[in-house]
Amino acid sequence: DSGVTQTPKHLITATGQRVTLRCSPRSGDLSVYWYQQSLDQGLQFLIQYYNGEERAKGNILERFSAQQFPDLHSELNLSSLELGDSALYFCASARQGSTYNEQFFGPGTRLTVL
Amino acid sequence: AQKVTQAQTEISVVEKEDVTLDCVYETRDTTYYLFWYKQPPSGELVFLIRRNSFDEQNEISGRYSWNFQKSTSSFNFTITASQVVDSAVYFCALSSAGGTSYGKLTFGQGTILTVHP
Repeated sequence: DSGVTQTPKHLITATGQRVTLRCSPRSGDLSVYWYQQSLDQGLQFLIQYYNGEERAKGNILERFSAQQFPDLHSELNLSSLELGDSALYFCASARQGSTYNEQFFGPGTRLTVL
Repeated sequence: AQKVTQAQTEISVVEKEDVTLDCVYETRDTTYYLFWYKQPPSGELVFLIRRNSFDEQNEISGRYSWNFQKSTSSFNFTITASQVVDSAVYFCALSSAGGTSYGKLTFGQGTILTVHP
């Protein structure tokens, strides 16, 4: 158990809908990263937050947004969902937001868009 | 741009065989970190090791060992005397200190390791 929690574990929804994925980092970790794992794209970095502030952005679609709250939990919002958004979404946390920090991953949220 | 290549898509071995998973990386930065993660069938990503670009010492942890060679930009992972529980997808990843990366990981495509009894 990495200490990172993600809810829900599974999510099934329809095209055009909006969903929110939640992540609680390990105790003491200030940085949260979101990654998407799909069969065609592999594991891709989406966005990073550090102590409430957005730090870095990767291949995140405009339909997706995220935030990190004062208690350091983070939410990833996915809207106008398309079939291609079906994937496993991971949240990872790290002590700081630095290059050398190992990231600890949550169990993931499996999103299925029908 | 950073890139990680795991040329072996799938490897199949019989229990007790040794197996090496290859990883080749590309980065223009002089300071960077390399990682290996394991993704068992249950789906979570488990951190295995971190290596920085200034430390080329090989590392051994039980049946696992890692060989970092800066000259060939490789960071290979060997499992000695493989066991069925080692069956998983293994990812090599790179975190570069340059620009605004702030520790984001660039992953390879993963190698599916199947260990047969």
